[in-house]
Amino acid sequence: EDQVTQSPEALRLQEGESSSLNCSYTVSGLRGLFWYRQDPGKGPEFLFTLYSAGEEKEKERLKATLTKKESFLHITAPKPEDSATYLCAVLATDSWGKLQFGAGTQVVVTP
Amino acid sequence: EPEVTQTPSHQVTQMGQEVILRCVPISNHLYFYWYRQILGQKVEFLVSFYNNEISEKSEIFDDQFSVERPDGSNFTLKIRSTKLEDSAMYFCASRSGGEQYFGPGTRLTVT
Repeated sequence: EDQVTQSPEALRLQEGESSSLNCSYTVSGLRGLFWYRQDPGKGPEFLFTLYSAGEEKEKERLKATLTKKESFLHITAPKPEDSATYLCAVLATDSWGKLQFGAGTQVVVTP
Repeated sequence: EPEVTQTPSHQVTQMGQEVILRCVPISNHLYFYWYRQILGQKVEFLVSFYNNEISEKSEIFDDQFSVERPDGSNFTLKIRSTKLEDSAMYFCASRSGGEQYFGPGTRLTVT
């Protein structure tokens, strides 16, 4: 059975304190891995898509990487506006578009 | 920047009543989705829709649920007879390429 597990569940950072979030997955075949940001009461906001092991994507203070079993979202020198829940989702090769989400990592960045 | 819109933002209904949640996907997108998120839980896939038919659905999407694209711009989710456990945020998403873009959600409260 396909599974997506994110760790840690919650992360509290000081402004400027870099850290990494983990997403480990088990899927029969990976079509793509997606990172989203979700603010309270809002819809997921697309950040990155990764398709193959070794791939990296970067946007401002965020960098996503992918291996055959897991993905990392690195937050470099975070600011308070980076506070959000970060969601990882996988799309399996046998699916038409069913994203399977992890439970998310809630990140709080304090000044 | 084009975005997915959803109405209403909040719907309160009594158990057993029918509700219709509405979405306007991004205009040149061809693939449409509904997800839901029960408070404090993961985002869960409900259904995908392409070329005026359902391409994939989850176990949650039983006979009480239906989807429709009544015209060239709207995409709707109907719940025929709501249950208390249908209370959740419902998100519409659409895509043209690999990534899905989500709307802001409709909070459905069943009393």
